[in-house]
Amino acid sequence: GNSVTQMEGPVTLSEEAFLTINCTYTATGYPSLFWYVQYPGEGLQLLLKATKADDKGSNKGFEATYRKETTSFHLEKGSVQVSDSAVYFCALSGYNKLIFGAGTRLAVHP
Amino acid sequence: DTAVSQTPKYLVTQMGNDKSIKCEQNLGHDTMYWYKQDSKKFLKIMFSYNNKELIINETVPNRFSPKSPDKAHLNLHINSLELGDSAVYFCASSQARGGGSYEQYFGPGTRLTVT
Repeated sequence: GNSVTQMEGPVTLSEEAFLTINCTYTATGYPSLFWYVQYPGEGLQLLLKATKADDKGSNKGFEATYRKETTSFHLEKGSVQVSDSAVYFCALSGYNKLIFGAGTRLAVHP
Repeated sequence: DTAVSQTPKYLVTQMGNDKSIKCEQNLGHDTMYWYKQDSKKFLKIMFSYNNKELIINETVPNRFSPKSPDKAHLNLHINSLELGDSAVYFCASSQARGGGSYEQYFGPGTRLTVT
C-alpha cells in the first residue's frame, strides 16, 4: 500500500543554518505530494505541494522537488529562523485521503 | 473568520463516558475528515464524508460514530471512552475528495484526555 517515510527527529539547528528533512514515499500511480507544518498548539497548515514529477513546490523560503526516480520529496530551506520551529509532515494523496509520514520536529535556536 | 472550527478545544473525561466533538467549516467544501493524532504526533485518518455520505471508515472501533447533518458539519461521537482514546482529534475539509491535489484545511484540534 501507499506509505510515507520521514527522517526521525528532532532536528536541532542554529538560526540561519541550512535545513533538509528527508521524505520518501511508496505509491501506486502518480500521487500529489505535500508538506504540512504544525506549530505548537495548532492544527496543520499546508506549506507546499507538488502534483507531478519534477514539479517544485515552494513557500516561505521552503522548497521541495517531486523526484519520481528516487520516490522522494525532501524539504529544504536555506536559512532557518527561530519561528520555523514546528513539526513538519510529508504526505501523499491516496484514495480519498492523505497519508502522512510520522512527522519531524524541528527546533531552531538563536 | 475561522475556516474550520472545532469544539471543544480540550476535553477531559473519565473512562466509560460518552462524549462528542463538533466540527464546522465555512469554506463551502464538499468533503470533511476526522484524523487522530497520537502522543508521538502520528496522524491517521479515521473517517471521511463527501456531501454527507461516508466514504472512508478506516477500521475504527464502532464506539466511534461520525455524523454529518449537512456538508458543513461533521461531528464525532465516542461511546464508552477508553484510556487509549486519549489523543488530539483533528477535523479537516477539502474542496473535493482527497485523492488529488486538493489541499486539506485543518481545524485547531480537540485534545481528549481520558482518565
